[in-house]
Amino acid sequence: TQLLEQSPQFLSIQEGENLTVYCNSSSVFSSLQWYRQEPGEGPVLLVTVVTGGEVKKLKRLTFQFGDARKDSSLHITAAQPGDTGLYLCAGGYTGNQFYFGTGTSLTVIP
Amino acid sequence: KAGVTQTPRYLIKTRGQQVTLSCSPISGHRSVSWYQQTPGQGLQFLFEYFSETQRNKGNFPGRFSGRQFSNSRSEMNVSTLELGDSALYLCASSLKNGQGNTEAFFGQGTRLTVV
Repeated sequence: TQLLEQSPQFLSIQEGENLTVYCNSSSVFSSLQWYRQEPGEGPVLLVTVVTGGEVKKLKRLTFQFGDARKDSSLHITAAQPGDTGLYLCAGGYTGNQFYFGTGTSLTVIP
Repeated sequence: KAGVTQTPRYLIKTRGQQVTLSCSPISGHRSVSWYQQTPGQGLQFLFEYFSETQRNKGNFPGRFSGRQFSNSRSEMNVSTLELGDSALYLCASSLKNGQGNTEAFFGQGTRLTVV
């Protein structure tokens, strides 16, 4: 069983469209991270959120941590082909063990 | 500063063999974690080492083992390989950031194929 469920699992959109990816859990995490992974490469850390209700922006990407620290969302504005990749959320407790979500595979078509 | 380095990048082994994968963390990082990534199961935590001691262990059989050396480099070993062990094995080194939160930095992974 997965502690973190991501939706949608697959997403294919046209360049310029907006999208939102969701990461949901029944567990409370001390922190939540979002990663992007390209084929044949390791995941690259995008952001860490730690406070319930926290919102962080990274250029066209907006990350939100739920008030109860159980869920998170990633919103991309005006998607570009370079945004294509596998997006992973990861919940952390104390220590260095992270539980990864099921992943959302995003394809942005030029 | 160099990133996390994993060797080899690709490996093909036969069922029943054993394999050792290597990971060199970012300089100054003392924590190294290993993950298995497969299309069906996603990223699954294997174990974490800190200062040569295993601190956390995931739900994998005893065929999967690891160790960490005094220079923080880590190795992972899988014995009696099975077809289902075919996966991308990822190593991550981690450090607490300025806000006290742990951030993990991944290597490119080792793609293991068992035939």
